[in-house]
Amino acid sequence: AQTVTQSQPEMSVQEAETVTLSCTYDTSESDYYLFWYKQPPSRQMILVIRQEAYKQQNATENRFSVNFQKAAKSFSLKISDSQLGDAAMYFCAYRSAPLHNAGNMLTFGGGTRLMVKP
Amino acid sequence: DGGITQSPKYLFRKEGQNVTLSCEQNLNHDAMYWYRQDPGQGLRLIYYSQIVNDFQKGDIAEGYSVSREKKESFPLTVTSAQKNPTAFYLCASEQGNQPQHFGDGTRLSIL
Repeated sequence: AQTVTQSQPEMSVQEAETVTLSCTYDTSESDYYLFWYKQPPSRQMILVIRQEAYKQQNATENRFSVNFQKAAKSFSLKISDSQLGDAAMYFCAYRSAPLHNAGNMLTFGGGTRLMVKP
Repeated sequence: DGGITQSPKYLFRKEGQNVTLSCEQNLNHDAMYWYRQDPGQGLRLIYYSQIVNDFQKGDIAEGYSVSREKKESFPLTVTSAQKNPTAFYLCASEQGNQPQHFGDGTRLSIL
């Protein structure tokens, strides 16, 4: 079974600065997907960014980018020019590729609470 | 707009009572999922369904039941066998390799 670990329960960043959230995972599969989800106080789960394991290029979405290190099984999220609206819980998640016939379920890490200071 | 609707937003359960959480999607997605979230923790999978009239247990299925009679609906029943049901419940749907879409959740509490 896959496991996802987020070692930072809480992080804080000054507005307009950059912050990196860590995520490591354990798997024996060669192909899979990784995600970062944001959960603001409203509790809605919002997809931030997605990475396919077979792609070497790191995914980027505006101010959000990832550092995907497949050999190290590491998938960190970098938030640039942090804004007050970025304050939320951030969850890293793993999903097997369809070829593994694992039902497409997501395995989540325990989350990192990000606080943004004005 | 297409999306996932969960109801009710808040739900209270009495001792020994079964309660059902609703999840409806109009995205025409084949797969649907139920997750439980405890305070300060990540999501854990309760049940999932990849196709109508079929579903599988997730990591924490004990004390829960589901049905998938229609593509758009995947209700979750929290039975009296679930001794610690207080949590936030999230429903999600998915099509193919696209990321899962989530509903806004239901918060269940014990009276």
